[in-house]
Amino acid sequence: TQLLEQSPQFLSIQEGENLTVYCNSSSVFSSLQWYRQEPGEGPVLLVTVVTGGEVKKLKRLTFQFGDARKDSSLHITAAQPGDTGLYLCAGSLSNSGYALNFGKGTSLLVTP
Amino acid sequence: NAGVTQTPKFQVLKTGQSMTLQCAQDMNHEYMSWYRQDPGMGLRLIHYSVGAGITDQGEVPNGYNVSRSTTEDFPLRLLSAAPSQTSVYFCASSPQGRSTDTQYFGPGTRLTVL
Repeated sequence: TQLLEQSPQFLSIQEGENLTVYCNSSSVFSSLQWYRQEPGEGPVLLVTVVTGGEVKKLKRLTFQFGDARKDSSLHITAAQPGDTGLYLCAGSLSNSGYALNFGKGTSLLVTP
Repeated sequence: NAGVTQTPKFQVLKTGQSMTLQCAQDMNHEYMSWYRQDPGMGLRLIHYSVGAGITDQGEVPNGYNVSRSTTEDFPLRLLSAAPSQTSVYFCASSPQGRSTDTQYFGPGTRLTVL
């Protein structure tokens, strides 16, 4: 059973378009993280959200943690080819990171 | 700092062979972990360690052993490789293993078991 469901699984868009990726669960998480992974490399942390309703911005990327801390979204404005990669959400059910659960990821392709 | 390093980058084994995947970090992190990444399955936790001398099982520990004799190193041992262990393996470290800590991942080891 997958604790974190990500959608869509694949996304192919053109440069300049906007997009939103979702990470949903029926469980409450103490915190949630978003990572980006490029081919042949390990994931790299983009952001950590902790408080329900929290919104964080990282340049053209906007991350939101749901009020009930069961879901999160990643919105990219004016996507660029450099945004191409696998986006993973990961959450912990407790304050310990020992049981960090990852979603299956959203594979994003941005073409010029 | 080199961060998290993994060796080898690629490995091909025959069924039944044993091998050790190496992982080292130079950030003095207490927490280290091993994940496997399979197509359509995301990252799954194999084993983790909260400090030297302490290890514990994750979600998919069967067929793998770990030890943590130093803060820096966290090797993953496959005792008798099986085709089901064909995967990409990532080692990660974080300062204390808290859910809000940044996890730093190595570049991965791509393992094929024939």
